[in-house]
Amino acid sequence: QVQLVQSGAEVKKPGSSVKVSCKAFGGTFSSYAINWVRQAPGQGLEWMGGIIAILGPANHAQKFQGRLTITADESTSTAYMELNSLTSEDTAIYYCAREGGIGGVFDFWGQGTLVTVSS
Amino acid sequence: QSVLTQPPSVSGAPGQRVTISCTGSSSNIGADYDVHWYQQLPGTAPKLLIYINSNRPSGVPDRFSGSKSGTSASLAITGLQAEDEADYYCQSYDNSLSEYVFGTGTKVTVL
Repeated sequence: QVQLVQSGAEVKKPGSSVKVSCKAFGGTFSSYAINWVRQAPGQGLEWMGGIIAILGPANHAQKFQGRLTITADESTSTAYMELNSLTSEDTAIYYCAREGGIGGVFDFWGQGTLVTVSS
Repeated sequence: QSVLTQPPSVSGAPGQRVTISCTGSSSNIGADYDVHWYQQLPGTAPKLLIYINSNRPSGVPDRFSGSKSGTSASLAITGLQAEDEADYYCQSYDNSLSEYVFGTGTKVTVL
């Protein structure tokens, strides 16, 4: 059984950056894509981007081009999501999710990391 | 603004059947991309409910079923139970955006 464990909650100032980690237990980390999905308070789910460790460069949603960096470390089975130039609109719960390789399904999810952007 | 549209809310009494629609377009569902459904209980992470249009992962009750036709998909819950009260999201791929897309989400209330 795959388990994704994310880093803890963060409070950031506007204009700063945040880096969230997602460590995978079980499964073959390098063979699957890890995606990042965020959910603003009271809002729906929003795909941000994803990466397959063995392939390297990540895919990003157009909305986040230029300020989102997604990386993966095969040696520790950990994926990272770094978002720059934070504003209050980036306040959200950030989830990592494994893409199961079948039609783009997200079959396992992390517990979520709350990022609060406030001055 | 999501490209997949769902009704904001649906409700039903225990034991009843409810359906949730997910309306897309020719660049996502209509382009024959698979549709997946997720259940999000209050205060928790989303959980996979239906994959590739109509398949249930192990452990998901057969009260949940999915279908897809044309540019839309649907999730049906039969024999509605109090524990089904949650938010439900559809998800697919959009080739004009080259992005995964989620539906707007539907809150299911058990009366």
